[in-house]
Amino acid sequence: AQSVTQPDIHITVSEGASLELRCNYSYGATPYLFWYVQSPGQGLQLLLKYFSGDTLVQGIKGFEAEFKRSQSSFNLRKPSVHWSDAAEYFCAVGAGFTGNQFYFGTGTSLTVIP
Amino acid sequence: DGGITQSPKYLFRKEGQNVTLSCEQNLNHDAMYWYRQDPGQGLRLIYYSQIVNDFQKGDIAEGYSVSREKKESFPLTVTSAQKNPTAFYLCASSGPGQGAGETQETQYFGPGTRLLVL
Repeated sequence: AQSVTQPDIHITVSEGASLELRCNYSYGATPYLFWYVQSPGQGLQLLLKYFSGDTLVQGIKGFEAEFKRSQSSFNLRKPSVHWSDAAEYFCAVGAGFTGNQFYFGTGTSLTVIP
Repeated sequence: DGGITQSPKYLFRKEGQNVTLSCEQNLNHDAMYWYRQDPGQGLRLIYYSQIVNDFQKGDIAEGYSVSREKKESFPLTVTSAQKNPTAFYLCASSGPGQGAGETQETQYFGPGTRLLVL
């Protein structure tokens, strides 16, 4: 069965420090992977996605993610965190023959210390 | 601009009352979804629809109902049978990507509706 695990419920980083949010997936076929960000009281915004090709994917707001098939991981990174990056981050895998089934992790809450 | 709209932003329900949350999209997407979000529990799928006049139950459909009469619209009714309706409700739609041979769709979300019980 498909599943997504985000091992870190909450992470705190200082402004300007680097960030890595972990995501592990379980899926038998080629995974389609997504990262979303959610600010308080808002909907989810797509940060980036991986379908195929280059395993290092660039997204919006200076984020990137690296797909590692051997580790079943799709970790999100940012070299220097800004206070406005404080939010909830969700990893998701797309699956199914129709291409429109999605499975989400439980999210990682990011706090940024000034 | 293409996108997904949800209304109202806040909704209050009285005991025994049914309430309907609106979701409209102008992305020309076939598939639409409703999720419920509770603190610390991530997203849970309530219902989804892959095409007009068709929908399927998700993981927590009890106490909810939907309709899909138009491609653009996927309203969610929270019935009086839903005993704990206080939550943040998110509507989403998904559509194909731009890459050649790209079968996987990408999901986009509306701004959400917060439902509170009086």
